[in-house]
Amino acid sequence: EIVLTQSPGTLSLSPGERATLSCRASQSVSSSYLAWYQQKPGQAPRLLIYNAFSRATGIPDRFSGSGSGTDFTLTISRLEPEDFAVYYCQHYGSSPRTFGQGTKVEIK
Amino acid sequence: EVQLVQSGAEVKKPGESLKISCKGSGYTFTNYWIGWVRQMPGKGLEWMGIIYPGDSDTRYSPSFQGQVTISADKSISTAYLQWNSLKTSDTAMYYCALGGYNWFDPWGQGTLVTVSS
Repeated sequence: EIVLTQSPGTLSLSPGERATLSCRASQSVSSSYLAWYQQKPGQAPRLLIYNAFSRATGIPDRFSGSGSGTDFTLTISRLEPEDFAVYYCQHYGSSPRTFGQGTKVEIK
Repeated sequence: EVQLVQSGAEVKKPGESLKISCKGSGYTFTNYWIGWVRQMPGKGLEWMGIIYPGDSDTRYSPSFQGQVTISADKSISTAYLQWNSLKTSDTAMYYCALGGYNWFDPWGQGTLVTVSS
């Protein structure tokens, strides 16, 4: 089973700042089969990025994904007030699929 | 518009059985995987399993194999998550979501299951 470790656990930033979230896999994720989700309190998660760098429909271009192998990154170029939330990575390169434990982006 | 609408919140006692549902609309139900994700109170997301309604091919995470049953009724475009004997540790929000063989998109609104004596 691939274990995904996200860091940091919490990121304290101000609106307008750049956020860099990390997702590290215990084994190589084949074909960059990695997704990122955003979850706000009381809401279901929402897909942001799939295949490591492809933005989902309707996702603003301030969100970008990168990486391959065991190291992946979600970058939010300029934080908007609505971006403060918890972010999860998930791989689908092998079975079982797993999620990372999440990174909370909070207002500083 | 693709939509997944889940059944309402449930309160059950340990040992009871439960089946929650997820109705898909706006797409061909039999042509896409649909999956279930658990979120325990204050915790992260856990991939439980997926089903392909077209042929009922079902895959489970080892963590959930034997603990729950995933099924689908393609005549009414509905997927199910079922327990035969609930435990207090099954208390969680359960989400269904389209896909899961790869990524999940979109997600249902969630069903809160509370198991308490």
